[in-house]
Amino acid sequence: NAGVTQTPKFRILKIGQSMTLQCTQDMNHNYMYWYRQDPGMGLKLIYYSVGAGITDKGEVPNGYNVSRSTTEDFPLRLELAAPSQTSVYFCASSPPNQPQHFGDGTRLSIL
Amino acid sequence: GENVEQHPSTLSVQEGDSAVIKCTYSDSASNYFPWYKQELGKGPQLIIDIRSNVGEKKDQRIAVTLNKTAKHFSLHITETQPEDSAVYFCAASPRPGANNLFFGTGTRLTVIP
Repeated sequence: NAGVTQTPKFRILKIGQSMTLQCTQDMNHNYMYWYRQDPGMGLKLIYYSVGAGITDKGEVPNGYNVSRSTTEDFPLRLELAAPSQTSVYFCASSPPNQPQHFGDGTRLSIL
Repeated sequence: GENVEQHPSTLSVQEGDSAVIKCTYSDSASNYFPWYKQELGKGPQLIIDIRSNVGEKKDQRIAVTLNKTAKHFSLHITETQPEDSAVYFCAASPRPGANNLFFGTGTRLTVIP
């Protein structure tokens, strides 16, 4: 009963480095989402996907890229890390027209 | 786009008392209003949701009310317990599973034993 699994849980990056945040779900959900949560703020949508091979931008996509080659996996890539990308990142999934289920997040610090 | 405002940002109550958190939204196209509970180090967990065709929904000690005319909705927790302590988020969207789910800024609820 894993649900949505995110790795790593914590990471520190240097400015200009790149990394991929992993997200996998075992519920066979078509829809997947990436959010960021800044201190004292609500979650903001970065990218989403309605199925394998289909992705689209959310509210705050700049500096990020995604891919969706399988139903289970939806990795988020940071190419040139910047201090403004220090945040907690949450992945979520849902069936169409159903509530979203969230993972436990990746806390990312960029120094 | 949608703008969701949430109040208060912090709330402390004595165990056994009730807690009320209020949200307003701006987009009349919003028809789905979930509430999430986020515990320290965890992701948001859906605790209750309401759709625009009903004015109130209850699940044990938790209830949500919706006034679509005034564009506001509220979370009510009765008989609070220490394990209710967490950050609560409201959100608004045209429908469940939509890519445009907009969150409020959260309320940190502390239940004092």
